[in-house]
Amino acid sequence: NAGVTQTPKFRVLKTGQSMTLLCAQDMNHEYMYWYRQDPGMGLRLIHYSVGEGTTAKGEVPDGYNVSRLKKQNFLLGLESAAPSQTSVYFCASSYADTEAFFGQGTRLTVV
Amino acid sequence: KNEVEQSPQNLTAQEGEFITINCSYSVGISALHWLQQHPGGGIVSLFMLSSGKKKHGRLIATINIQEKHSSLHITASHPRDSAVYICAVKDDKIIFGKGTRLHILP
Repeated sequence: NAGVTQTPKFRVLKTGQSMTLLCAQDMNHEYMYWYRQDPGMGLRLIHYSVGEGTTAKGEVPDGYNVSRLKKQNFLLGLESAAPSQTSVYFCASSYADTEAFFGQGTRLTVV
Repeated sequence: KNEVEQSPQNLTAQEGEFITINCSYSVGISALHWLQQHPGGGIVSLFMLSSGKKKHGRLIATINIQEKHSSLHITASHPRDSAVYICAVKDDKIIFGKGTRLHILP
């Protein structure tokens, strides 16, 4: 039982490159979330999903896309990375009425 | 939109002191989380509560639904409690406060 696993842990991108962050959970959670954490800003919700095949926008969705083709996976895509997307990204999952479990974070730098 | 406010933003205390961190939110919720984030970044869920009070070791969390307010207390604080404590509220999604940075001096 691994909980919530994020891949990769670190990445450096050049401006304009694309990449996909993978979040995988093995707890059969319906809800999955992608957050970014920036100094002084706290955790801000990018996108979330309340079940397989569904996604919804959070507070800061621009520049990101997501997909939830399988219940256990929630993918976060950056189509054309910008320096403003340099951040630490956290994935989380939960049932509807239970605590959330977090991945270990992905540190992304866009140069 | 739910606004989540935490206070204080920063707190430094001596080992052994009783610590209180407060969280207020603006819209009705289904549950409130308290989370801990240590240097190095990992986030750990401490409590989820929707009413009353929960206790785990030296940590106590309370919530007043009518006043839209929750508190996290740490009794007999220790330097290893030094971390950022984050309040988060849940309706159909989870919204976080900006966190309280706690530093316990030996």
